[in-house]
Amino acid sequence: AQRVTQPEKLLSVFKGAPVELKCNYSYSGSPELFWYVQYSRQRLQLLLRHISRESIKGFTADLNKGETSFHLKKPFAQEEDSAMYYCALSAGSARQLTFGSGTQLTVLP
Amino acid sequence: SAVISQKPSRDICQRGTSLTIQCQVDSQVTMMFWYRQQPGQSLTLIATANQGSEATYESGFVIDKFPISRPNLTFSTLTVSNMSPEDSSIYLCSVEDLMGEGYTFGSGTRLTVV
Repeated sequence: AQRVTQPEKLLSVFKGAPVELKCNYSYSGSPELFWYVQYSRQRLQLLLRHISRESIKGFTADLNKGETSFHLKKPFAQEEDSAMYYCALSAGSARQLTFGSGTQLTVLP
Repeated sequence: SAVISQKPSRDICQRGTSLTIQCQVDSQVTMMFWYRQQPGQSLTLIATANQGSEATYESGFVIDKFPISRPNLTFSTLTVSNMSPEDSSIYLCSVEDLMGEGYTFGSGTRLTVV
């Protein structure tokens, strides 16, 4: 069975500082990894997927199969980045998502 | 990406009653997913709904409690039956984008059972 672990429930950084949100997964095959973000009073929305290898809003995430990690990084955090971030994994034929417990990021002025 | 309309956005219900949540997608999709997000917790998959077949439920969720309908490729409903305060959660539907760009979520239904 697949599992996603986000060890930090809360994370605070100052504006302009680098930020890294950790995500580790367990799955025996080749998973597809995502980062979803939920801003206050908004619906859950896709931020990144490892297949696309894009940088969205300055965020990047690299899939490290050796360490089974998919950490989310941004070199200079902005106050508007404050939100709940969920790491998620899709695997198998059913294609449903398995979510981590989420990290609430607060960027301080 | 697909656009999902989910309703109601919130409701306060008496224990013992049932609530049906609707999700309408603006494009045809094979699978629709229903999730629950309990207060302060992450999303947990309830079931996967395919058109024309019975939904597949995850461990801990049963059809009698959470009956699902999927009459066509753009619509699904989830019913929360015989509600108790422990059912107070946000319920969300989701679909996988046809272009394979990820998953889109509805805005959620915030349910409070009193």
